Amino acid sequence: KAGVTQTPRYLIKTRGQQVTLSCSPISGHRSVSWYQQTPGQGLQFLFEYFSETQRNKGNFPGRFSGRQFSNSRSEMNVSTLELGDSALYLCASRGGEWSYEQYFGPGTRLTVT
Amino acid sequence: DAKTTQPTSMDCAEGRAANLPCNHSTISGNEYVYWYRQIHSQGPQYIIHGLKNNETNEMASLIITEDRKSSTLILPHATLRDTAVYYCIVRVGLDTDKLIFGTGTRLQVFP
Repeated sequence: KAGVTQTPRYLIKTRGQQVTLSCSPISGHRSVSWYQQTPGQGLQFLFEYFSETQRNKGNFPGRFSGRQFSNSRSEMNVSTLELGDSALYLCASRGGEWSYEQYFGPGTRLTVT
Repeated sequence: DAKTTQPTSMDCAEGRAANLPCNHSTISGNEYVYWYRQIHSQGPQYIIHGLKNNETNEMASLIITEDRKSSTLILPHATLRDTAVYYCIVRVGLDTDKLIFGTGTRLQVFP
């Protein structure tokens, strides 16, 4: 079974631009969560989606948004990029109601210059 | 949200058992303890989870104290490939996948 895939793997953007990152969960998984990892703040929860509905949101500004499609694929968008948005963005998926493990993708490394 | 406390770093000789402690004194009755590890900024890898009973799988064992205020992850025979940052996490409720990562323990396995 293929794992969680994220595209692109690496991205360089300029301040003020916007970016969209994509996450394809493991086949059959309906839940997708997003995390930001930086050297200073570590791993921080961004938001989670289940059946196309945002179920929970972390403490990030409104520039960070996401959505989930009917096939469970998810995208996150960051508008008006700032230098501090440079980070590894990770998504994770989980299976059914009684599945407790979350599986992470390899991440997208975003660099804002 | 329940927080966890872990030592910043630990060393372990290859072939020996690695015992990684975690304190979660504010854990609630229905909150699970999860362990993940992260190697070289790859995506975190699930290791094991538990509620109140000890658990074992092919990767590790999880020992949770009776009062549930602390736990220990045991890698029975550490290898060089087990060198990673290990995160002890309390899952915030059963109706959310939100995981609150702490700073973790950097485990160095040496030959």
